[in-house]
Amino acid sequence: EVQLVQSGAEVKKPGESLRISCKGYGYSFTDYWIGWVRQMPGKGLDWMGIIYPGDSDTRYSPSVQGQVTISADESITTAYLQWNSLKASDTAMYYCARGITGTSHPYYFDYWGQGALVTVSS
Amino acid sequence: DIVMTQSPDSLAVSLGERATINCKSSQSVLYSFDNYNYLAWYQQKAGQPPKLLIYWASTRESGVPDRFSGSGSETDFTLTISALQTEDVAVYYCQQYYSTPHTFGQGTKLEIK
Repeated sequence: EVQLVQSGAEVKKPGESLRISCKGYGYSFTDYWIGWVRQMPGKGLDWMGIIYPGDSDTRYSPSVQGQVTISADESITTAYLQWNSLKASDTAMYYCARGITGTSHPYYFDYWGQGALVTVSS
Repeated sequence: DIVMTQSPDSLAVSLGERATINCKSSQSVLYSFDNYNYLAWYQQKAGQPPKLLIYWASTRESGVPDRFSGSGSETDFTLTISALQTEDVAVYYCQQYYSTPHTFGQGTKLEIK
């Protein structure tokens, strides 16, 4: 059974660093993309970026480029979303999702993690 | 970036009646190489992650009830629920995967009238 299991909720202060994780089970981790989607409180879905663990090809939304880092460790079938300096505006639910692989291009998300709530407050 | 605009923002429909949600992209998401529309629909119930309903604009994901259908091409798309059930109360999102960033629509909240 395909599952994406995310790390737990985090409470951080502005300026702190954070890395959240997403572990894939039940499929070949290097054959699918893993994407990250942000959902601010009471708002819609915001596509942040995506990585192909097979070759580490990574694409970012311009809205977050330089603000976050997406990475993956295929040896432990885990993808990461990392911040070096959090802001209060980073407070949101963050979902990872598995992206179907197209011809050198990611497609839609077919499985989603349960979400990780990140709260940034002084 | 391709901008996805859904209408309406919210919708109230009686049980058993048809619900229709529209999605418009700022540029065509029909890829001429393969003649596919790079458009998906997701359902998000309160407190849950999104769930894939439809991809390639009209292909239902396995296990999705056949009362859900998708249609449209190029820039104009529709999600139709033929006979609304109580379990269909949710927010629905369209998403283009034609080019990164794979933008979502703002969402349509569907309720029971």
